Amino acid sequence: DAKTTQPTSMDCAEGRAANLPCNHSTISGNEYVYWYRQIHSQGPQYIIHGLKNNETNEMASLIITEDRKSSTLILPHATLRDTAVYYCIVSVTSGNTPLVFGKGTRLSVIA
Amino acid sequence: NAGVTQTPKFQVLKTGQSMTLQCAQDMNHNSMYWYRQDPGMGLRLIHYSVGEGTTAKGEVPDGYNVSRLNKREFSLRLESAAPSQTSVYFCASRPGTGGYNEQFFGPGTRLTVL
Repeated sequence: DAKTTQPTSMDCAEGRAANLPCNHSTISGNEYVYWYRQIHSQGPQYIIHGLKNNETNEMASLIITEDRKSSTLILPHATLRDTAVYYCIVSVTSGNTPLVFGKGTRLSVIA
Repeated sequence: NAGVTQTPKFQVLKTGQSMTLQCAQDMNHNSMYWYRQDPGMGLRLIHYSVGEGTTAKGEVPDGYNVSRLNKREFSLRLESAAPSQTSVYFCASRPGTGGYNEQFFGPGTRLTVL
C-alpha cells in the first residue's frame, strides 16, 4: 500500500472549518483514500472514503486533487467533540486487505 | 447489533503468564483483524483472517498466536507475556466481499505486563 504523510498536529477554533491535509504521492490507480478518526482511546471510526471524485457525507467532505497525489478532509463546523486523531489511509479496493495506519494528525478543537 | 465486542476490557499480567483476548462480531463479516496500539503511536497489525479457518501474519506477529474457529470469533493468544506487549489491543472486522467496505473496530483491551 502507498504511504501517506500527515501533519502531526493541528488546532482549529470551534465552529470553524477544520481542513486536514494528506499527501499520498505514490498512490496507485486502484487505491482508495480512506479517513478514520480515533477519539481519545476508543477504537477508530470510519469517516469517509473516495477514489478520485470529491465526496461528502453527514460527517465530512473529502477533496482529492486531480492528480490524486493529495487530499483534504474538511469538517465544516468543528465542535469540541471532533477533537481526535485523524488517520488518512490509502488501500486497494479488495475487501480483505488490512488497513495500514500511520500516526495520523491530532486535531485539537479549541473553544 | 452489538458490532465488535472484546473481552476483557482491562488485564494485568506478570511476565511469562499466558492469556487469550477474545473478539466477536455479529455482522456476518468475513475478515477480522487484530491491531496493537502503543502510546502516541498508530495502530499496527498483528494478525488477520479473511475467512473461517484461515489466518495470516501482519506487521508485528511475533509473540502472538490467533485462532479463527468460526465466522464470529477471532482470538489472540499471548503464550508467554513480556513487558513489551503492554499495549491497547483492538479487534476489527470487515465484510470482506465485493469492493470497498468499512472496517469496524471494537472498544479495545488494555493490557499491562509487569
